[in-house]
Amino acid sequence: SQKIEQNSEALNIQEGKTATLTCNYTNYSPAYLQWYRQDPGRGPVFLLLIRENEKEKRKERLKVTFDTTLKQSLFHITASQPADSATYLCALRLYNNNDMRFGAGTRLTVKP
Amino acid sequence: EAGVTQFPSHSVIEKGQTVTLRCDPISGHDNLYWYRRVMGKEIKFLLHFVKESKQDESGMPNNRFLAERTGGTYSTLKVQPAELEDSGVYFCASSQGAGTGQTFGSGTRLTVV
Repeated sequence: SQKIEQNSEALNIQEGKTATLTCNYTNYSPAYLQWYRQDPGRGPVFLLLIRENEKEKRKERLKVTFDTTLKQSLFHITASQPADSATYLCALRLYNNNDMRFGAGTRLTVKP
Repeated sequence: EAGVTQFPSHSVIEKGQTVTLRCDPISGHDNLYWYRRVMGKEIKFLLHFVKESKQDESGMPNNRFLAERTGGTYSTLKVQPAELEDSGVYFCASSQGAGTGQTFGSGTRLTVV
C-alpha cells in the first residue's frame, strides 16, 4: 500500500542544535517533494521544493535532501531557535496527478 | 500582497444542514486547491481548479460536496447535506504554476453536530 511516514510525531531538541526530520514513502513515484511548516490554527506555509532529479536544496538555515533510491527526504534546520518550533509536513506531488499527498507531520520543539 | 483568505474561520452546523465555504486566492494565481484535515489524520487533497475549470476532483469524498470557481477568481465549497464525518478543517491553497509551492489559507474549521 502507499504510505508517507514522517519519522516521529514529536521531536525535542536544544536551541542551537541541528534538527533533522525524516520523510519516507513507499509505492509512490513523486515528481517532487515539498516541505511545509504549520503553526497551530494556521494553514501550512511552503518552505522548500525539491525535484526528483535534485539531490539537495538549501534556503538560509534549511536544507532538504531527496534520495529516490531510498525513497526518503531529510529536512535539516541548522542553528535551531525556539521560533522554529512548529509542525513540519512533507508532501509528495505525483507525476500526471494533481493531488499532493501529505505526511502526518512532525511536531518540533526547540528548547531554549 | 494579500494572502489566501478563507471564511468563515469557524462554522458549527447541524447534521443535514448546508454550509458554503469560501476561498479567495492570491490575485493572479490560476491554480486553486481544496484540502481537508479530519481529526487525527493527515491533510487530504479534495480538488484542483485551473482558472474556472476543475482539473482534478478525484479527492472529493462524495456527491454531497460541490465546488465552484466562477470567473476563475474566488471559489466556494458547498456541503449539502452535511454529515457528522464532514467535520474537520478545510484548507484552500493557490499557486501561480502547478509545479510550485502553494500558499495556504488559515482554513475553515467545520463542526457538524
